[in-house]
Amino acid sequence: DAKTTQPPSMDCAEGRAANLPCNHSTISGNEYVYWYRQIHSQGPQYIIHGLKNNETNEMASLIITEDRKSSTLILPHATLRDTAVYYCIVPRGTASKLTFGTGTRLQVTL
Amino acid sequence: DAGVTQSPTHLIKTRGQQVTLRCSPKSGHDTVSWYQQALGQGPQFIFQYYEEEERQRGNFPDRFSGHQFPNYSSELNVNALLLGDSALYLCASSVPGQGLDTEAFFGQGTRLTVV
Repeated sequence: DAKTTQPPSMDCAEGRAANLPCNHSTISGNEYVYWYRQIHSQGPQYIIHGLKNNETNEMASLIITEDRKSSTLILPHATLRDTAVYYCIVPRGTASKLTFGTGTRLQVTL
Repeated sequence: DAGVTQSPTHLIKTRGQQVTLRCSPKSGHDTVSWYQQALGQGPQFIFQYYEEEERQRGNFPDRFSGHQFPNYSSELNVNALLLGDSALYLCASSVPGQGLDTEAFFGQGTRLTVV
């Protein structure tokens, strides 16, 4: 997978937007950016993925820069249940084989 | 839709023993991948099965083996267990095909403790 860089931890107040950045400067033209999260002691959960256009679903929005070298996952109204480790992954070859880094530990507080 | 189901949820084994973990993929999915997650680490890819064959393998010894059945369910076998094999074992399934535009769905995992 293409190398990704994420901050190790972030805090966010409940009800505010959580903006999680990811750098992936070695991404290739046909590679997608995926976001997964893992709530403590549970299996990872798919959030969203995109190629070059911004994407939105019921969970989050994904903003990819024009040069595709970085992206931001946005949780528009964070709740305590969004406290988790968030992984930014750029699979290479197949999206069903994932290389998880250390991710960003998001702590949502009251 | 039951999603990805794994069994058992917890397991305790003794060093040197063998263990079999089971996974049923999400309905309509034919590709199953297995991951090992040690405490405090991110999941590490073990191997992937598609059309009943091992298609890709991570950096794990031959003590780790698997199988996929015609109904797409899968087993992970670990022989000669070591204390270091204690981990959360995760199964993930994905939609047909091997492309770059396909999300993976994970089960809740099997917590294996080797004593």
